[in-house]
Amino acid sequence: TQLLEQSPQFLSIQEGENLTVYCNSSSVFSSLQWYRQEPGEGPVLLVTVVTGGEVKKLKRLTFQFGDARKDSSLHITAAQPGDTGLYLCAVHGSGNTGKLIFGQGTTLQVKP
Amino acid sequence: NAGVTQTPKFQVLKTGQSMTLQCAQDMNHEYMSWYRQDPGMGLRLIHYSVGAGITDQGEVPNGYNVSRSTTEDFPLRLLSAAPSQTSVYFCASSNNYGYTFGSGTRLTVV
Repeated sequence: TQLLEQSPQFLSIQEGENLTVYCNSSSVFSSLQWYRQEPGEGPVLLVTVVTGGEVKKLKRLTFQFGDARKDSSLHITAAQPGDTGLYLCAVHGSGNTGKLIFGQGTTLQVKP
Repeated sequence: NAGVTQTPKFQVLKTGQSMTLQCAQDMNHEYMSWYRQDPGMGLRLIHYSVGAGITDQGEVPNGYNVSRSTTEDFPLRLLSAAPSQTSVYFCASSNNYGYTFGSGTRLTVV
C-alpha cells in the first residue's frame, strides 16, 4: 500500500492550459515536500509546506497543504513546455527526518 | 559547490557480479539516502543514514548493503547482482530541510 497516492499519473496538455496535481494519504504529516525531476537528472526540491491550509506560490506554481495535513495539491497556471517533467510529493516516514518517502509521481507533458 | 556526486553514471553488470555505487556530498549534511527509480514506481528508499556510523533499512533493502564511515560518503554495495536490480539509483543528502539529489547511476544487470 502506497503511503502517498498521486493523481493523475500522466497528464498531457497544451501550452497555456492550467492543471492541478494531487497528493493524498490517510495519514497526517508534519510537513510535505514537492519535487520536480527532469529526464536524466535527480529530483529538485520545489517547496516544503508545514501548516494545515498553507498556500505557497512559486511563480506560476501554487502549492496547498490540506487543512488536516493529509493531502496536498500543486496547481500550475498557464503551463509552458519548460514545466514538462515528473512531479513528486514526499513526506518523512514515521516522523523520521532521515527517511523521505515519495509518491509514484505525476508525469506532465506540456506541448507547444 | 559540487553538492552530491554519484559515480559511475552508467554501469552494466553480469548476473552474480558485485559492485559499489559511490556517493559523496560536500555540504556537511547529516542525512543521506539511496533510492531506486523504476517506471511507474516513483522513488523507493533502499537504505538511509542519519549520521556517520548509523544506517537503517528503507522500503526495499534486500540485495543491498551500505555503510557510513564518514559524513561525506555513503556507498551502496550490490553483493550479487540480479536482473531485478536493473534500475536508476539516486543518492541524496539533507540537512533537515529539503533533500539534494545526485544525477543518478543507470545500472543494467544482464
